Formats: sequence, structure tokens, C-alpha cells
Amino acid sequence: SNELTQPPSVSVSPGQTASITCSGYILGGKSVYWYQQKPGQSPVLVIYRDSRRPSGIPERFSGSNSGNTATLIITGIQAVDEADYYCQAWDTFTRTFGGGTKLTVL
Amino acid sequence: QVRLVQSGAEVRWPGASVKVSCEASGYSFIDFYIHWVRQAPGQGLEWMGWIDPNGGGTHFARKFQARVTMTRDTSITTAYMELTSLRSDDTAVYFCAREAVDTSGYYYISLWGQGTLVTVS
Repeated sequence: SNELTQPPSVSVSPGQTASITCSGYILGGKSVYWYQQKPGQSPVLVIYRDSRRPSGIPERFSGSNSGNTATLIITGIQAVDEADYYCQAWDTFTRTFGGGTKLTVL
Repeated sequence: QVRLVQSGAEVRWPGASVKVSCEASGYSFIDFYIHWVRQAPGQGLEWMGWIDPNGGGTHFARKFQARVTMTRDTSITTAYMELTSLRSDDTAVYFCAREAVDTSGYYYISLWGQGTLVTVS
């Protein structure tokens, strides 16, 4: 079983907003990172330290983290956003991934 | 150009070992941790551990502690991950990935290798 729980799938229409949650008791006090992965490609970081965006990631991507739940929010969904999304919890030594969420753009 | 280049695909018998390499270029190798992450076919990402190239310190996920070794050779800016006692469920793409730090001192994983498929059969 996974210590970090994500919904297996989320579907959203173009232009709408997608929210992907990541929950688990191990999140308490830890920073959360989010990765996007498209088929056959290496993951790409889209959010780090709960809400920071790396250079080159559109402002449409944002994140929050409170208590035992973190959320990735993607506004103005585009077809190019269709991918798998993984949360990851960082503590001093370990980095734990969630099970992943397949985002489908209808 | 900053990049991580991994070794090619491997096929192993059950019970054997595999060693995957990750050659770094374009930056100071000893400045940032290297992580190893694997992904079984059709499955999610699984963090295995990290190595600090500056000194060789390591930390592993509990699941892999008994079977994984991570080393590095600073003279050729290459990190290695060796997994022993292979089983069929170790069949996966193995990625190396490098941390970076932003202007506020926050670390994140910024750069990934292309992945190495290890097949145990």
C-alpha cells in the first residue's frame, strides 16, 4: 500500500480547472513536490516546496499543502497538460512518491 | 550542457545483480545529490535512495536497504546503482536524477537521466 494517496484519475475539459490531491499522515510537516510525466518520458518537476514553480513552468500550475493533504491545481487546462502527475513528500532523508494520478483532458 | 546520461538496457536472470551507471556533465558533480527512482511497466514512480557525490554518503528507502548499493566515481563524474538478488518484480525503468537549489536555498530535483530498462527474466 502507498503511504501517499492520490486519486487514480481526474478528467477535465479544456479551459477548466483540475485539482489533484495527495493525502497521507506522513505529509504532516513535510514539503510536497509535484511531477508531470508523459508516456515514454522522464518526469518533469512542476511544483516544489508546496507551492513554488520552477523556471519554465506556466503560472497555470500552483500548489498548496495543509495538514495531511496537498493539492496541485492546474487552471485553464490545455491538451498538453494530459499526463500522469505524482506527488512526493520530502523529509530530511527520504523522498516518498504518491501512487500517481492520470489527468485526462476531455 | 547540463545532463545525466545513463547506461543501456540490461537483461538479467532472477537472483543476479545489475549495476546501472549515470554519467553527469555540465556542472560540478560533487555539488548536488543524485537520486535513483524506478518505474515498473505501467506503474508509478518509486524512490530508491540518494547518494551525496561529495563524500559518498547514502540513504535508502527501507524497502531496498538490504539489496541496493549506491556509489560514485568523482574522477569520471559517474554515479552507480547496484541492485542484487533480482526478482521478476524488479523489472523496471531505473532513473537517476539530480537535485538543484534555488536562490532561496530550497532544494528540488531538476534534472533526470533518460532511464535504463532492466528486465529480469
